[in-house]
Amino acid sequence: AQRVTQPEKLLSVFKGAPVELKCNYSYSGSPELFWYVQYSRQRLQLLLRHISRESIKGFTADLNKGETSFHLKKPFAQEEDSAMYYCALSQGAQKLVFGQGTRLTINP
Amino acid sequence: EPEVTQTPSHQVTQMGQEVILRCVPISNHLYFYWYRQILGQKVEFLVSFYNNEISEKSEIFDDQFSVERPDGSNFTLKIRSTKLEDSAMYFCASSETRAGYTFGSGTRLTVV
Repeated sequence: AQRVTQPEKLLSVFKGAPVELKCNYSYSGSPELFWYVQYSRQRLQLLLRHISRESIKGFTADLNKGETSFHLKKPFAQEEDSAMYYCALSQGAQKLVFGQGTRLTINP
Repeated sequence: EPEVTQTPSHQVTQMGQEVILRCVPISNHLYFYWYRQILGQKVEFLVSFYNNEISEKSEIFDDQFSVERPDGSNFTLKIRSTKLEDSAMYFCASSETRAGYTFGSGTRLTVV
């Protein structure tokens, strides 16, 4: 069964500190992994996906098939990064399976 | 940038009433979805729709739920007889193949 695990419900770091939001998945095929962000009172927005290997707003995520992980990282956190972050898994244009989400708070 | 539009943003309904949640997907997208998020819980898949029919649905999507694409632009989710536990944020999404989803801003449904 497809499953996405985000072990941290809450994560709090200081501005300028590195951030890592953890995501592990279980899937028997070749998944597509995504990170979505939800700022306060706004819609879910695609942050990045592993197939594009891009960096958005300073965030990167590398798919590690050996560890079945897709951790989201940013070297220097900014206050505007405070939001809910969801890791999600999909196969093609099929349903997304979401993790529980991590609420990231950046302290000034 | 194209957006997925959902109306209303907040709907309050009495238990047992029917509700219809509306969505306008991005015009050139072919796949449409409904997800829901109960307060404090994860975002859950309800149903996907392609080529004018349901392509996949979850166990949540029972006989009380139905979806429709009544014209070329709207995509609706109907809940026939609402229950208290249907209170949630409902998100519509659309996608092209393998291009990533675009979500709407959601409809908060409150069943009283």
